[in-house]
Parts: sequence; C-alpha cells; structure tokens
Amino acid sequence: AQSVTQPDIHITVSEGASLELRCNYSYGATPYLFWYVQSPGQGLQLLLKYFSGDTLVQGIKGFEAEFKRSQSSFNLRKPSVHWSDAAEYFCAVGTGGGNKLTFGTGTQLKVEL
Amino acid sequence: DTGVSQDPRHKITKRGQNVTFRCDPISEHNRLYWYRQTLGQGPEFLTYFQNEAQLEKSRLLSDRFSAERPKGSFSTLEIQRTEQGDSAMYLCASSPTGTPNEKLFFGSGTQLSVL
Repeated sequence: AQSVTQPDIHITVSEGASLELRCNYSYGATPYLFWYVQSPGQGLQLLLKYFSGDTLVQGIKGFEAEFKRSQSSFNLRKPSVHWSDAAEYFCAVGTGGGNKLTFGTGTQLKVEL
Repeated sequence: DTGVSQDPRHKITKRGQNVTFRCDPISEHNRLYWYRQTLGQGPEFLTYFQNEAQLEKSRLLSDRFSAERPKGSFSTLEIQRTEQGDSAMYLCASSPTGTPNEKLFFGSGTQLSVL
C-alpha cells in the first residue's frame, strides 16, 4: 500500500528566506505526486503535481518541487517566502485508478516577519 | 465556477445522534470524493462516486456511515449513532473525470464535534 511521510511537523522561517518542505513516499509503481496547501477555514488548494516527464515541476505562488525516484522524495521549495505562505502543506500520492489520494500528516509553516 | 460547497460548516451533536452532511460539487464534475481529517493528520480517503455510482469505500467507513449521490450532483454523508471518535473535519472534493493526475477541488469542510 502507498504511504507518504512528511518528517517535519512544524517549520518556522523568516520572511524572504528560502523554504524546503520534505516529502517521502512509498509506492510500487510510478507515482502521481501532489502538494496541497490548506489555510485556516479554507479548503485544500493544489500547488503543483508530478505525473511524468521533467522531474522539476513548477506550481502556483512561486513554488516548485523536484521528484527524485532514487530517494523516493518529492520536496517542495520556494526561493523567498512571503508572510502569506503561512499555512499547512500536505504532500500526497495518487493511485493509478480513481484518483484516490493518500496524504501525509502535513507540515505547518510559520513565517516570521 | 462557484467551487465545492459543504453544509453545514460546523456541527455539534451528542453521542448517539445521527448527523447528515451535504456536499455540492462543481457543476458537471463527475467525480465526488469524501475525506476525513482529524487533528494533526492529513485527510484520509473515505469514499468516492462516479456520477451516482459509489465505486469505492474505505475500510474506515464503518456500517454507521453511508454516503449517497442520488442524481449524480450533490452528495450526502450520514453518520448514525455518532461516537466521540467520529469528531473530525469531513472534506468533500470533486474533479471533472477522475483521471489519475487530475486536480481535486476541495470544499472548506464540515467540522463535526461529538460530545
């Protein structure tokens, strides 16, 4: 069965600093990988996804993620964090059928001004 | 595109009572999903529909849970004889067709508290 691990429960960065959120997955086949963001009182919003092809994918709000098959990782990065990026971030893996997602436990991002 | 809407936003009930939640997906989205999210956890898959057909149910969905999508549009999730362990955020999502790399559109959820 597929699984997703997000080892960092909380991360605090200063505004303007770079950000990397870690995600490791376990899945027997080629994974479909996603990053979603959840702000308080809001639904989850897709930041980016990896399906195939170029292993560096660009998303909304200046985020990018790199798929590394050898490390079973799909880390999320942003060169310069804005205060509005404070939220909870979820990595997810999709199965081949039904678009059923398995989510990690999330990383809560705090941005210091 | 008015987004996925869920009603109510919050529900407080006493243990043993029945509750029903409603989800209105984005118009013309064929796929509809229910997830449950407890504090400190990521969303967990419960069930999904292709139009009116319920295609898969998670083992998390005990016999006390039932979901319907009678006309292939809105969906309801009912929990009978609620237990304190049912306290969670119940999220609904929809997508146009259900292809594996397709984006899911999530609602804001229904927060259930069972006293």
